[in-house]
Amino acid sequence: GAGVSQSPSNKVTEKGKDVELRCDPISGHTALYWYRQSLGQGLEFLIYFQGNSAPDKSGLPSDRFSAERTGGSVSTLTIQRTQQEDSAVYLCASSLRTGLGGTDTQYFGPGTRLTVL
Amino acid sequence: DAKTTQPTSMDCAEGRAANLPCNHSTISGNEYVYWYRQIHSQGPQYIIHGLKNNETNEMASLIITEDRKSSTLILPHATLRDTAVYYCIVRVNYGGSQGNLIFGKGTKLSVKP
Repeated sequence: GAGVSQSPSNKVTEKGKDVELRCDPISGHTALYWYRQSLGQGLEFLIYFQGNSAPDKSGLPSDRFSAERTGGSVSTLTIQRTQQEDSAVYLCASSLRTGLGGTDTQYFGPGTRLTVL
Repeated sequence: DAKTTQPTSMDCAEGRAANLPCNHSTISGNEYVYWYRQIHSQGPQYIIHGLKNNETNEMASLIITEDRKSSTLILPHATLRDTAVYYCIVRVNYGGSQGNLIFGKGTKLSVKP
């Protein structure tokens, strides 16, 4: 079946501009994560959505970063006034969260490579 | 910080089994062992996970020692397309920041013809 998709695959922007990154999770998956991966580094957790619950925003690095998830499906990560240090691959993952103690295997999309000039 | 240690790199001949070790001596009773891999410029790909028992799926087998302090991922017949960085992760099976994936350095597996 269809996996997690992300768009655009690559985004080049100028410092100070706003960008929007999109994630389409696997159909039926209730949980959605955003991570970023800087060159040669591990994953950095950004934000987590689970159903209709308030999102876990504890990983967002600054108030320039925000995300929303409409209708429990598609999510958009917005970065305002981009800085060069925002350059990274932004990864989205979804899981079929079946409640506390249930499985939470995360499946990743291909990522969006963001370059801020 | 990652709670696992893995060799930096390994080589494997095409068609042979690749055995990737992982030490997780401080694993807690409610933490699972997950394996992901990342092929260059792609998103991480889930491989397998387990708690106590050995597991097998269409991609790999996971062998967990009885004391759960180490595990081995086995790719039974490695192909060139299995060349990737393999990550062993221990995590609670919760959602949110509690359950977010912490990738260490991983093992760079090179499958050679």
